[in-house]
Amino acid sequence: EVQLVESGGGLVKPGGSLRLSCAASGFTFSKAWMSWVRQAPGKGLEWVGRIKTKTDGGTTDYAVPVKGRFTISRDDSKNTLYLQMNSLKTEDTAVYYCTTDGDAFYEWGRGTLVTVSS
Amino acid sequence: DIQLTQSPSFLPASVGDRVTITCRASQGISSYLAWYQQRPGKAPKLLIYAASTLQSGVPSRFSGSGSGTEFTLTISSLQPEDFATYYCQQLNSYPLTFGGGTKVEIK
Repeated sequence: EVQLVESGGGLVKPGGSLRLSCAASGFTFSKAWMSWVRQAPGKGLEWVGRIKTKTDGGTTDYAVPVKGRFTISRDDSKNTLYLQMNSLKTEDTAVYYCTTDGDAFYEWGRGTLVTVSS
Repeated sequence: DIQLTQSPSFLPASVGDRVTITCRASQGISSYLAWYQQRPGKAPKLLIYAASTLQSGVPSRFSGSGSGTEFTLTISSLQPEDFATYYCQQLNSYPLTFGGGTKVEIK
């Protein structure tokens, strides 16, 4: 059974940093493209960014609102996906989901809440 | 960026109704479209990918169609567990984008 478990969310002040983790199991993590998606309270879904497999170059792509502030990485030896978030803004407040990625976002974690507030 | 416009935003319906949700793309995306269902407080769940392919385990009352710029999600006979919010997503080009959502509510 595929499992994605996000962690690392919490309350942070504007301008601060936070690193989210997503522990993956039940599939070959090193062969999976992965994405982060966020959802602000009461709002719709917003794609944050994607990382390809090392075989496919390990490259990343980001949504414009987070480009230059957020960094996605992966540790295939630990089956873990990361989202490093710097220079956080109040508008980054959201539930952050990690997903497996391909023709669609097949599997989703339960999400972790990030609140950016002074 | 490719914009996805879903209609309607809210859809009052009753159990047993046939329900259709439309997703229009601002430019052609071939068949690179997926549909998700999200129940309150839960993560989204993939229903349809490649515009019309039913994800494994999803009931056959769900179906998707379309290509290019216009797509539809149809629920043939609405069940109580189908009252939820539905999102379309394009995977044709970066940035990947979602539609604004359609909330299917009890009439």
